[in-house]
Amino acid sequence: SQTIHQWPATLVQPVGSPLSLECTVEGTSNPNLYWYRQAAGRGLQLLFYSVGIGQISSEVPQNLSASRPQDRQFILSSKKLLLSDSGFYLCAWTPGQDTQYFGPGTRLTVL
Amino acid sequence: RKEVEQDPGPFNVPEGATVAFNCTYSNSASQSFFWYRQDCRKEPKLLMSVYSSGNEDGRFTAQLNRASQYISLLIRDSKLSDSATYLCVVNVRGADGLTFGKGTHLIIQP
Repeated sequence: SQTIHQWPATLVQPVGSPLSLECTVEGTSNPNLYWYRQAAGRGLQLLFYSVGIGQISSEVPQNLSASRPQDRQFILSSKKLLLSDSGFYLCAWTPGQDTQYFGPGTRLTVL
Repeated sequence: RKEVEQDPGPFNVPEGATVAFNCTYSNSASQSFFWYRQDCRKEPKLLMSVYSSGNEDGRFTAQLNRASQYISLLIRDSKLSDSATYLCVVNVRGADGLTFGKGTHLIIQP
């Protein structure tokens, strides 16, 4: 069966510090991968998606970036965090174009 | 107009009652539809897909009305464990990602 992992689970970072969040999927190959953010009181916002290694599509202009160095690994990064980057970051995967399955998420607080 | 709209609630419902949520979507080209459930501070989990003919899974029934562009979820004989936020989700762009409503908060009271 397929599983999706995210780490860290919780992170507190100062403004201006870098960020690296990691997502890995097991038990499948060539998944579509997604990064979402859920800010307090708001819905899920799609940040990036990837249909293959090295292929990244960005949905929202911001100070975040994503990379997919391996088939089942998706990384979300920032060089300098802003207060507005606080939120619940969720990685998701899908075997095709339909149902998505989410990882446990990383709760980021920027102070 | 927002792509996917839901009543945020909260819906306070006594245990054992039947509760229904609606959701409207703006893009008539939307391809597929889902209900996800999200518990507090947890990730969303797929509750059920929504098919044009309507579908049922135990106490849960989902229906789709393409002409009016709305989706519904009916929960019968509600349990305390049904307390959660229910997210209406629409696939409008294929592999590019799902569009989520902000969710409806349901509280089942003993």
